[in-house]
Amino acid sequence: DADVTQTPRNRITKTGKRIMLECSQTKGHDRMYWYRQDPGLGLRLIYYSFDVKDINKGEISDGYSVSRQAQAKFSLSLESAIPNQTALYFCATSDFKGDYGYTFGSGTRLTVV
Amino acid sequence: TQLLEQSPQFLSIQEGENLTVYCNSSSVFSSLQWYRQEPGEGPVLLVTVVTGGEVKKLKRLTFQFGDARKDSSLHITAAQPGDTGLYLCALHSNTGGFKTIFGAGTRLFVKA
Repeated sequence: DADVTQTPRNRITKTGKRIMLECSQTKGHDRMYWYRQDPGLGLRLIYYSFDVKDINKGEISDGYSVSRQAQAKFSLSLESAIPNQTALYFCATSDFKGDYGYTFGSGTRLTVV
Repeated sequence: TQLLEQSPQFLSIQEGENLTVYCNSSSVFSSLQWYRQEPGEGPVLLVTVVTGGEVKKLKRLTFQFGDARKDSSLHITAAQPGDTGLYLCALHSNTGGFKTIFGAGTRLFVKA
């Protein structure tokens, strides 16, 4: 089994719909993240969580919300999807300091039509 | 605004050639990470460097962190088709709050 599992892998949804992307991890890391990847822009941080009770906004949090249901589970919601949220979404985990890198999931390709 | 630039953006070479890709920042960070990403998958960590001037080798890949901890290079010797992918660098800081910045990447294609 993968260390970080994301579901679904692919999703097409209509404008205005609410959608949830789920992430679970077996790394035992406290820190979890949601990133968005767009061509030519690199990975941009949406939200991050340092433990179950600690949720922080990243650089592009508008239009998104998150829930940390347990140490191993971190979900991302698009409250009312819009076409410019079409992107590749990645969940990641890291150790305490983050200096030693991230473990990423395989991603969710989201298309909003 | 902190910038992280990777160059070149695209690189297409023949199998067996050597290549170097670069990662440059306007700010100093505590560590730098290199990742490789293949189509349909998430980035996979290759190496983390934390000391200015540090050099790390991973088989045919050599990573160097600049003395000022603002830049890095990745050199691949005798590239193989399996090296094809998107190479991302990321700068990380634990001071002044948590921050990691990812570059847009260098897309490498190695032709057999």
